[in-house]
Amino acid sequence: GAVVSQHPSWVICKSGTSVKIECRSLDFQATTMFWYRQFPKQSLMLMATSNEGSKATYEQGVEKDKFLINHASLTLSTLTVTSAHPEDSSFYICSASRQLQSTEAFFGQGTRLTVV
Amino acid sequence: AQSVAQPEDQVNVAEGNPLTVKCTYSVSGNPYLFWYVQYPNRGLQFLLKYITGDNLVKGSYGFEAEFNKSQTSFHLKKPSALVSDSALYFCAVREPNQAGTALIFGKGTTLSVSS
Repeated sequence: GAVVSQHPSWVICKSGTSVKIECRSLDFQATTMFWYRQFPKQSLMLMATSNEGSKATYEQGVEKDKFLINHASLTLSTLTVTSAHPEDSSFYICSASRQLQSTEAFFGQGTRLTVV
Repeated sequence: AQSVAQPEDQVNVAEGNPLTVKCTYSVSGNPYLFWYVQYPNRGLQFLLKYITGDNLVKGSYGFEAEFNKSQTSFHLKKPSALVSDSALYFCAVREPNQAGTALIFGKGTTLSVSS
């Protein structure tokens, strides 16, 4: 149990286009999901906290108009990178916590975004 | 503010030898502590956690970690390293009783096990 699926695993897009990344909790309900960004050989930096049915909470320095987060159901959160630029190229990882049993977080496989 | 420090960027060990990956933390109260492993271009895999109870926590793949409150440390250990253990290891912390909050990660330590 406790599987988080992230799709796509990798994507290449042109500058100026938008890319949507999906994060699904397959066998549990996740009231809260988190989006992280990871640069090569660096740690995971929290971008935003996504709560089902409400607006996401963004970390300082993260552009909410550029990184649109939607958490429309208890099993799905999406991150849309709008008007992507090469500097947005990175590894994006989502995680989810179970309702009421969230001592640990479960992570998706990650999405490698390359903007050309 | 809570934080996690992994003082070593890289740890090198020969196969069969014991390994230790260091982690210290700063958080008010008794923390929730975690270790995750990441293989190239993959998400994070959970290894073990400390919430409460015994200070020595056993986890996946033969790894264990010891919670030391006086030294505010949570070092990851394994008695006998395998080449397949080579990966990037992250220590993480969460404030106690903050179930809906994100994990805060250390910068990561690359473990390299040579045959």
